[in-house]
Amino acid sequence: AQSVTQLGSHVSVSEGALVLLRCNYSSSVPPYLFWYVQYPNQGLQLLLKYTSAATLVKGINGFEAEFKKSETSFHLTKPSAHMSDAAEYFCAVSDQRGKLIFGQGTELSVKP
Amino acid sequence: NAGVMQNPRHLVRRRGQEARLRCSPMKGHSHVYWYRQLPEEGLKFMVYLQKENIIDESGMPKERFSAEFPKEGPSILRIQQVVRGDSAAYFCASSLSVGSYNEQFFGPGTRLTVL
Repeated sequence: AQSVTQLGSHVSVSEGALVLLRCNYSSSVPPYLFWYVQYPNQGLQLLLKYTSAATLVKGINGFEAEFKKSETSFHLTKPSAHMSDAAEYFCAVSDQRGKLIFGQGTELSVKP
Repeated sequence: NAGVMQNPRHLVRRRGQEARLRCSPMKGHSHVYWYRQLPEEGLKFMVYLQKENIIDESGMPKERFSAEFPKEGPSILRIQQVVRGDSAAYFCASSLSVGSYNEQFFGPGTRLTVL
């Protein structure tokens, strides 16, 4: 069975600081991995996805993630946080039918 | 191109009533997924449908919940005899085709409150 674990339910950074949100996966087959962002009272928006084409994936809003098979990780990073990045972030793995299995989510706070 | 639409955005029901949640996928998308987000929890898969067919309902509670995606019209998630524990945000997502790598586009959700 596939699963995703997000380390840290809350992460707080200062504006301009590095953002690092951690995601580890478990999958018996090569995984397809996704990061989604959810702003308050809104739906989910895709940030980026890993589909085995390249281990470093660049997404929208300056975010990127690196797939590391040896560590079964797919951490999300952004070099410099902006106030508008404050939101909840979900890592997910997809099964063969496209069903998404989500992690518990990480709420990102950005301090001025 | 309109995105995934869900209505109503907010729904209040008393215990024992029925809740009907509607989802119109993006134009050209024939694959619909429903997810539920309970307070303080992540999103959990409920059901995957294609036009007129339920493909995977492994995440649906066995009782009171049902889903359909008719040939014409939106997908419907129906909850009969709602209880307080059904209070949650219900999200619909659609995709163009099936497969692990296909992006799902999410609607804004329906927030159900059961009094």
